[in-house]
Amino acid sequence: DTAVSQTPKYLVTQMGNDKSIKCEQNLGHDTMYWYKQDSKKFLKIMFSYNNKELIINETVPNRFSPKSPDKAHLNLHINSLELGDSAVYFCASSQVGTGGVGSYEQYFGPGTRLTVT
Amino acid sequence: SQKIEQNSEALNIQEGKTATLTCNYTNYSPAYLQWYRQDPGRGPVFLLLIRENEKEKRKERLKVTFDTTLKQSLFHITASQPADSATYLCALLNTGGFKTIFGAGTRLFVKA
Repeated sequence: DTAVSQTPKYLVTQMGNDKSIKCEQNLGHDTMYWYKQDSKKFLKIMFSYNNKELIINETVPNRFSPKSPDKAHLNLHINSLELGDSAVYFCASSQVGTGGVGSYEQYFGPGTRLTVT
Repeated sequence: SQKIEQNSEALNIQEGKTATLTCNYTNYSPAYLQWYRQDPGRGPVFLLLIRENEKEKRKERLKVTFDTTLKQSLFHITASQPADSATYLCALLNTGGFKTIFGAGTRLFVKA
């Protein structure tokens, strides 16, 4: 069983289009994340969700809208795609818990390579 | 602004030797520090976590040290093997664990 899965694995689209990436985790974790890894391989956090609530939004353009229908899913919708959005997007999950009792190990999905032409 | 630096983009060592990777940070007081491994075309894989009040952590051939005064972590792989060749990422977590900042990574090449 895949712990963190993402679909699609590859996404090629034109500027101006709207696209979505889906993420699911079957680990029972309470926290999910979206990261962007650019061409220089730098991994940067975009959003953190804890128990379906947005906790971290790292100055991401509002063209990016995450949605967490339940604790096991965190989807990413991107409007009006731009060339600079081309990157690999990783979903991850971890168990943060409360009072510092979480394990904090993040489990990453396989990534979605987005290419905007 | 917060900054993480990993010692070099690439590190080449001979099989059997100890690989030592460095992570330095500024303008940040992390509650936790983690190391991940990333292979080409795949997502990062968690290796070790060390807390701010811990000096050292070990797991099999891996050892991590954390010096909050120097703002530095060292990551050691002893008896390195060609299979250890990968990119290793240092990551800092804030209190609460919701925000993680990653370094750019060090590519390790272990030659047989």
